[in-house]
Amino acid sequence: RKEVEQDPGPFNVPEGATVAFNCTYSNSASQSFFWYRQDCRKEPKLLMSVYSSGNEDGRFTAQLNRASQYISLLIRDSKLSDSATYLCVVATYTGRRALTFGSGTRLQVQP
Amino acid sequence: EPEVTQTPSHQVTQMGQEVILRCVPISNHLYFYWYRQILGQKVEFLVSFYNNEISEKSEIFDDQFSVERPDGSNFTLKIRSTKLEDSAMYFCATGANVLTFGAGSRLTVL
Repeated sequence: RKEVEQDPGPFNVPEGATVAFNCTYSNSASQSFFWYRQDCRKEPKLLMSVYSSGNEDGRFTAQLNRASQYISLLIRDSKLSDSATYLCVVATYTGRRALTFGSGTRLQVQP
Repeated sequence: EPEVTQTPSHQVTQMGQEVILRCVPISNHLYFYWYRQILGQKVEFLVSFYNNEISEKSEIFDDQFSVERPDGSNFTLKIRSTKLEDSAMYFCATGANVLTFGAGSRLTVL
């Protein structure tokens, strides 16, 4: 089983749509969770951290379900500028500080 | 002003040549990382560096790779004898929990 698994997409949605991405992770000892955004041939950039209580930042909502080892990202009112690859990222600090990246889910918002 | 600066942005080299990729991370950060991303694939951890020494490395980071912090500011990744499969985007990052990435160095091995 992959350490961090995501549906690669692409998700093609019209402007204004709501879209949700899911991610599962295999290591139950994982402690920190993030969504990063990566534009084509650019570096990953932090979109938001994911907390157990769930958190929201404008149009973006992230949820964490530790029991199911599942993370989600909801984007409301999609903009053209949201088109990118969304990377689910997990940190497990037992002997290792490095982050583990999922392969990403590609989103294409269409006019 | 970028927080993490990487050079070169793109390097083309012949197989078997040595390559040095450079990173100038945010000042006062203690943790530094190199990641790579082969075109179309996921971002993969190579090595982390703390307190001027390697703190952990992945199975990808074999004897062909080395890292240094030669002058207290620059952070370098050296590949001694490049192979075709080393062609990738190499990202430097800093941060203790949340990582900030540089724009990357694209390495093309011919």
